[in-house]
Amino acid sequence: DTGVSQDPRHKITKRGQNVTFRCDPISEHNRLYWYRQTLGQGPEFLTYFQNEAQLEKSRLLSDRFSAERPKGSFSTLEIQRTEQGDSAMYLCASSLDSREGHLFFGPGTRLTVL
Amino acid sequence: AQKVTQAQTEISVVEKEDVTLDCVYETRDTTYYLFWYKQPPSGELVFLIRRNSFDEQNEISGRYSWNFQKSTSSFNFTITASQVVDSAVYFCALSDFTTSGTYKYIFGTGTRLKVLA
Repeated sequence: DTGVSQDPRHKITKRGQNVTFRCDPISEHNRLYWYRQTLGQGPEFLTYFQNEAQLEKSRLLSDRFSAERPKGSFSTLEIQRTEQGDSAMYLCASSLDSREGHLFFGPGTRLTVL
Repeated sequence: AQKVTQAQTEISVVEKEDVTLDCVYETRDTTYYLFWYKQPPSGELVFLIRRNSFDEQNEISGRYSWNFQKSTSSFNFTITASQVVDSAVYFCALSDFTTSGTYKYIFGTGTRLKVLA
């Protein structure tokens, strides 16, 4: 069990560029979540997948954001036409498919938009 | 609406003092789960404890203890004899059903604990 991994760990980009982040969940976990965390705040829910199906999207997720989880394994989060307000830590987490299952978090991808 | 409130933004204590972190939640569900996570300076969130809404027994794990009171919608976390290694941001979270029939985890804004030597 290698835990949840995220790549890259840090990303610096210029405003208007597109960025893509990857998350590899724990292999037997069929639920995968994306959260965003800004300084001094708790993780804010963005979206989650059960296997390959995207079941819920937050209203925080504008049309510039898209997430995929092909084949129910790894997931990607893409942000198009980045804005300075997108600067944050993007956290991925996975869990078993039960409500009582807690989240296992990855180390996060820190995005800085200049 | 579902909500988790951690009113204490930052707490500083001297090593060996006891400290309690407060968490108040709101939910319409009768069945729900509450969690505490720790985020050390390294940044990765670590699970500490889970509690379901039907189990109001307090729990103790070493220097950590949790007090769940449904009557006041609170799930407080106490660290006894705090140590410098306890310095971190602590988040309370609620697992709640969504309108689409699935569930998601809602986090509070966190309490930053500083334990001074």
